[in-house]
Amino acid sequence: DAGVIQSPRHEVTEMGQEVTLRCKPISGHDYLFWYRQTMMRGLELLIYFNNNVPIDDSGMPEDRFSAKMPNASFSTLKIQPSEPRDSAVYFCASRRRDRANYGYTFGSGTRLTVV
Amino acid sequence: GEDVEQSLFLSVREGDSSVINCTYTDSSSTYLYWYKQEPGAGLQLLTYIFSNMDMKQDQRLTVLLNKKDKHLSLRIADTQTGDSAIYFCAEGGSQGNLIFGKGTKLSVKP
Repeated sequence: DAGVIQSPRHEVTEMGQEVTLRCKPISGHDYLFWYRQTMMRGLELLIYFNNNVPIDDSGMPEDRFSAKMPNASFSTLKIQPSEPRDSAVYFCASRRRDRANYGYTFGSGTRLTVV
Repeated sequence: GEDVEQSLFLSVREGDSSVINCTYTDSSSTYLYWYKQEPGAGLQLLTYIFSNMDMKQDQRLTVLLNKKDKHLSLRIADTQTGDSAIYFCAEGGSQGNLIFGKGTKLSVKP
């Protein structure tokens, strides 16, 4: 089991550019979560999916953010256009509902810097 | 609404015990969790406790749960410099998600 795989690990982009973050959850996990972590606000839930369907996107900060999960093995988080205040570490996590005691498995994160 | 609170910083000396505290609001949570985040890494599940338990011990880790007060604690015995990290408390949310606290940064001084 390779765990939750995120790419890229680091991304530096200029303000106004489109940024796409990618996540491959653990096979068999039916929940997928996107989080953002900053020093100021800590860990924020942006959106989560159950069986590829978005369940709660109330944490998505603005219309500039969008997320998709076209199939059980892939999800993207897109920011268009990006702004310096979007600089953060973005984590993807997955979970099996019938293994609730195992909690989430997190990816290693994508560190985004918008200059 | 659902909320998890924990103190932001804790500093201990190597060899001492560390106790990290957490309060939560959702009494219907089935499991409560402790995660550890080392610098530059994602969060890793450290341990968890089922809501009908009072205590769980796993080597140097002891989790205490007071359901009446909605208080969870993590005790690390014989704290080592390798234990320096951010520790997150989390409760099972009502929608299948987990609600995380802001994390407690543990600093271990030699």
